[in-house]
Order: sequence, then structure tokens, then C-alpha cells
Amino acid sequence: EDQVTQSPEALRLQEGESSSLNCSYTVSGLRGLFWYRQDPGKGPEFLFTLYSAGEEKEKERLKATLTKKESFLHITAPKPEDSATYLCAVQGAGSARQLTFGSGTQLTVLP
Amino acid sequence: DTEVTQTPKHLVMGMTNKKSLKCEQHMGHRAMYWYKQKAKKPPELMFVYSYEKLSINESVPSRFSPECPNSSLLNLHLHALQPEDSALYLCASSPQVSGSGRGQNEQFFGPGTRLTVL
Repeated sequence: EDQVTQSPEALRLQEGESSSLNCSYTVSGLRGLFWYRQDPGKGPEFLFTLYSAGEEKEKERLKATLTKKESFLHITAPKPEDSATYLCAVQGAGSARQLTFGSGTQLTVLP
Repeated sequence: DTEVTQTPKHLVMGMTNKKSLKCEQHMGHRAMYWYKQKAKKPPELMFVYSYEKLSINESVPSRFSPECPNSSLLNLHLHALQPEDSALYLCASSPQVSGSGRGQNEQFFGPGTRLTVL
């Protein structure tokens, strides 16, 4: 069974204070690891897909990296508008091939 | 255009009402999904449609009835709901359900319908 664990559950940063969010996973045959951003009361917004260890993707202040056991979402010099819940999900090669989500990291960036 | 639209944004219904949620995408995606999300929890998969056919039903109670009239539309019919069914209902779409190529399985979510059952 695919499993995803995200840490920390909540993170408070000062504006400009860089940090990383962790997503640890176990999956049978990784077909993709997905990062989403979700604002309160809204649907998840797609950020990145990573497919193989060593892969990295960047978007503005966000950079996602992938190893065989975990993914990191690095946030450089965050701004208050980066405050949101960040969700990690994996898709394995199992019969269902559906997304398994982590519980998310709630990020708050203080001005 | 990576937009999935959902209507209504908010819905309040009694336990004896019948209502429907609607979802639309024009990205040419052949897979569409319904998720349920409770506060501070991740989305929970309910149904998956692939090429307009129901391919996955995650043991959802029959008071939830999905329908896929065509490749762009997805409905969720609601009847005799319980207060514990109150949640954010999310629709998503992806190019394929289990495609082998990169980008084939990326799911794009709509804004959701906030459902309150009284």
C-alpha cells in the first residue's frame, strides 16, 4: 500500500526566512510525485510533478526535489502570499494507480 | 487553459432534498474525478471516470450518484444526505487515468463546492 507522510504539520516563517517542507513516501513503482498548493476553502492548485530521483523543478520561490524515499519543497525568501497548505501526493504502479495524498503542511508566512 | 469549473460554489440542503453538483473542463482530458475533502484533511477519492465510463467507485454510499454525460461534463447527484456529508466537494481532471507518458496523470482540480447538509 502506498504511503505518504508530510512534515512538519505546520510551519510559521518570517517573511524572507527560507525553509523546506518534507514529503516521505513508500510506493510500489513510482509513476509520479505531485505537489499542490491549497488555499482555505479552495481546490488544490497544481505546482509540480517529479518522476525520478534526482529530478528538480522550480517555479518562482519554490523548488521541488526528489530522492528515492522523499521529496522536498524548498521555499526561498517566502512572502505572506505563499501562506497556504502544501499537499504532496504519489501515484504508484499498482492496480488502482490513483493518487495517495499526505496530510499536508500548513505554511504561514508572517510579514 | 488548465481550468476546471464547478457549480455551485456553495450549497445548503436538507436531508430530504435532491440536488446536483456540476463540473466542466475543456482541456480534452479523458479522466475525471470526484473527491470529498473535510477540514484539515487531504482530498478523499470518491469516483473516477475514464472515457466517460465509471472505472472506480471507492465504496461510496448510494446517496451519491455520479454521471458523465460527455467527455467535458461530470455531475454528482445528491439525495437523502446526512449532516456528516457536509464537506468541500472537488472535481478534477487529467489527460488519462493511468497513462504511461509524462504529464498524462497530472490532475487539475476545480475550486470546489462547499456543501452543508442541515
